Amino acid sequence: GAGVSQSPRYKVAKRGQDVALRCDPISGHVSLFWYQQALGQGPEFLTYFQNEAQLDKSGLPSDRFFAERPEGSVSTLKIQRTQQEDSAVYLCASSTGIAIGNTIYFGEGSWLTVV
Amino acid sequence: KNQVEQSPQSLIILEGKNCTLQCNYTVSPFSNLRWYKQDTGRGPVSLTIMTFSENTKSNGRYTATLDADTKQSSLHITASQLSDSASYICVVSAKGSTLGRLYFGRGTQLTVWP
Repeated sequence: GAGVSQSPRYKVAKRGQDVALRCDPISGHVSLFWYQQALGQGPEFLTYFQNEAQLDKSGLPSDRFFAERPEGSVSTLKIQRTQQEDSAVYLCASSTGIAIGNTIYFGEGSWLTVV
Repeated sequence: KNQVEQSPQSLIILEGKNCTLQCNYTVSPFSNLRWYKQDTGRGPVSLTIMTFSENTKSNGRYTATLDADTKQSSLHITASQLSDSASYICVVSAKGSTLGRLYFGRGTQLTVWP
């Protein structure tokens, strides 16, 4: 597609429920990133993939968060046993590679509300 | 601690006027600095990318400056338009870090009034 596509755009989950957020990067982009943006804050890094390899997952806040990109294209961010503090916008971004000057393109985000 | 601080937190200007947004950072060692525009409910959109050796970069009515010695950057918007109303986020990355491990400021919320 023309841009980074994320789904669902909005998700309301009951506390304790598992959720899965999907990201379709720009075709051909080998680098994919997930960020968490709380209300009124800047995005915070969660994890990074180069093709199917998860090279950095140090930003994942707990072991309830899991991300995968099995075929090097679509990625899924899974949150198990959601808690209220997980409520945030989850942004996916992609880039053509890891060169310093590469533009990072962001999706519209998936807005998660845990009630 | 790697941090990015932006000021002002919010700004209201009249259409047609100019404005300057500030960014101070402590990210080290510095690699590059980006300015993003984020409309409400949308993902951030890249405006400029500057590396250590670049002092200024323009993108239409947006001009970014960088002083790597003082660790300061500014984003100047000329002849503002209503569509400039958005959050402007300063983003810094460190050398040797994962490309995607970007340090984001909280943004300056700009409102342009007619």
